[in-house]
Amino acid sequence: EAGVTQFPSHSVIEKGQTVTLRCDPISGHDNLYWYRRVMGKEIKFLLHFVKESKQDESGMPNNRFLAERTGGTYSTLKVQPAELEDSGVYFCASSPTLDWGSEAFFGQGTRLTVV
Amino acid sequence: KNEVEQSPQNLTAQEGEFITINCSYSVGISALHWLQQHPGGGIVSLFMLSSGKKKHGRLIATINIQEKHSSLHITASHPRDSAVYICAVQSNNDMRFGAGTRLTVKP
Repeated sequence: EAGVTQFPSHSVIEKGQTVTLRCDPISGHDNLYWYRRVMGKEIKFLLHFVKESKQDESGMPNNRFLAERTGGTYSTLKVQPAELEDSGVYFCASSPTLDWGSEAFFGQGTRLTVV
Repeated sequence: KNEVEQSPQNLTAQEGEFITINCSYSVGISALHWLQQHPGGGIVSLFMLSSGKKKHGRLIATINIQEKHSSLHITASHPRDSAVYICAVQSNNDMRFGAGTRLTVKP
């Protein structure tokens, strides 16, 4: 079974440009999470989808970030316009339910570098 | 105070040594994850625990729910084990992360 996959694995863009990151969760997983780790800091939660609905987007840093999950399948995270401080590794995870012990599976991350 | 505390922050070991990384948390959890992040940024899920102990190869993870504490052990450490090890807890709809432990294993 395919795991959580993220595209691209690396992206280098100039300040002011737009970048779209994609996460394909494990098929059938209702829950999809986005996180990021900026250089030297711990991983921070960005938002949580349950199917196509945003359950919790309290971690989104500002309105330059837009996440979507149309149809409840894959999700995109768009940064527009990108700033230098957006550089970091963006992770996605999915889980089937929110029940006790339900395992979350992580993608390998997208390394974003804004220059 | 962070809800998930890891220790140590940095750890340097000689090849072959037994390594322990600790994680303490202060919230009620449904599961705890140990993750491994390589220098390139990619993340690997090592273990998911809700009780007891799990073993995979040279890696062992334990959790004590009553004490809100988990440990990750690496036996016969190797330079390829060098990475950042992250403890993450699932609490209701949320995932909370420790700051990570940077492990360097020298040959």
